Amino acid sequence: EPEVTQTPSHQVTQMGQEVILRCVPISNHLYFYWYRQILGQKVEFLVSFYNNEISEKSEIFDDQFSVERPDGSNFTLKIRSTKLEDSAMYFCASSVASGSFIDTQYFGPGTRLTVL
Amino acid sequence: SQQGEEDPQALSIQEGENATMNCSYKTSINNLQWYRQNSGRGLVHLILIRSNEREKHSGRLRVTLDTSKKSSSLLITASRAADTASYFCATALMNRDDKIIFGKGTRLHILP
Repeated sequence: EPEVTQTPSHQVTQMGQEVILRCVPISNHLYFYWYRQILGQKVEFLVSFYNNEISEKSEIFDDQFSVERPDGSNFTLKIRSTKLEDSAMYFCASSVASGSFIDTQYFGPGTRLTVL
Repeated sequence: SQQGEEDPQALSIQEGENATMNCSYKTSINNLQWYRQNSGRGLVHLILIRSNEREKHSGRLRVTLDTSKKSSSLLITASRAADTASYFCATALMNRDDKIIFGKGTRLHILP
């Protein structure tokens, strides 16, 4: 069964450093998402991406964050200058459809980001 | 209540018993999804129920949706040790694209 994959599984970085989290969505999916979950808290929406552009973003997704689909398979989340409070599990998700036909979002296993 | 709020926060039952978790929400939805998360791991999609559906089944899972009460329930029958996990409901809002909003989850513990 196709699944969303994410790399790395765990990333440790120093505060102020840039990190890139990578995701390979399910191949026939058109909508891509990033969510994060701070330890012990609920999963929060960051951004959605369709047709090579951001379709929606939350207030968490500030100028320090960016997303990119550099080729036909990868979907990346970049944090330009990490802060301690960016430490969280980051989940990538993808779905076939969205909007009025919003469909199941399939999640990857997550990347645990630890900012020291 | 918040959009997508599960009840109870934690539940412990004996193996073999049924587990029922509830989710309430505030704003009209397009659909509601249930996910499972084992400790520190990824989110596994369980069931999606659309706003025009009242009940769905998948194996030992049964989900109901009552849009008049803005609530949903997830029933796991004949629970097993492997069902120990956190369970989240996530709502897709009516007329809003893209994002789904998660609740805080119910931590389910199956006792041997």
